[in-house]
Amino acid sequence: AQSVTQLGSHVSVSEGALVLLRCNYSSSVPPYLFWYVQYPNQGLQLLLKYTSAATLVKGINGFEAEFKKSETSFHLTKPSAHMSDAAEYFCAVSGSNNNDMRFGAGTRLTVKP
Amino acid sequence: KAGVTQTPRYLIKTRGQQVTLSCSPISGHRSVSWYQQTPGQGLQFLFEYFSETQRNKGNFPGRFSGRQFSNSRSEMNVSTLELGDSALYLCASRSGVDGYTFGSGTRLTVV
Repeated sequence: AQSVTQLGSHVSVSEGALVLLRCNYSSSVPPYLFWYVQYPNQGLQLLLKYTSAATLVKGINGFEAEFKKSETSFHLTKPSAHMSDAAEYFCAVSGSNNNDMRFGAGTRLTVKP
Repeated sequence: KAGVTQTPRYLIKTRGQQVTLSCSPISGHRSVSWYQQTPGQGLQFLFEYFSETQRNKGNFPGRFSGRQFSNSRSEMNVSTLELGDSALYLCASRSGVDGYTFGSGTRLTVV
C-alpha cells in the first residue's frame, strides 16, 4: 500500500522567496510520485511526475521536485514565488502498476506581496 | 484535445434522494477514477474503472457505486444521500503511466 504525508497544511512565503513544500512517501513497491495544484473551484492540474527516470524532475510554472529514496521524500520547490502560485498543492503516490493513486492532505500556499 | 468533462458542475439534492454524476474522459483514456474532496477529509479515493471493469475501490459504503461504458465514459451514483455526502466529486482519466488528468468536478450539496 502507498501513502504520502505532506508536512505543513499551510505555508506562507513572500513574493520572490523560495517555495518549499514537503512530501514524504511510503510505498511497498517502487513508487510513481506526482505533484498537483488546485485553484479554487477547479480540478487538480498536474505539475510534475516522477516515474523512475531522472530523480530531479522539472515541471510547469517553474516548479521542480527531487526524488530522494534514502529520505523517502519528494519535496516541491520553486526558486522565486509569484502571486499566481497561491493555491493548494497535493502530493500523490501510486505503485509502479499505477493503480489507485493516493493523495496527501494538501498544503495551502499563500504568497504575500 | 478535449479535457475531462464532468457534468453537472453544481447540484443540490435533498437527503434521501439519489444522484448520478457523469464523467467523459480524454479521448483514448481507458482508466477513469473518482475522488471525493471535502475540507475535513481531503481527497478520498472512491473507485477506478478500466475497460468497463472496476479495478480498485476505496473505503466507501455501498451507497456509492459506479460504472463505465464501452466508450470509457463513467458515471457514479450515490443513493440515499446524507448531509455528509456534500463534497466536490472529481473524476480523472489517464493513459499508461501518465498522471491523472482531472475534470473540474461536480459540487454536490445535500440539504
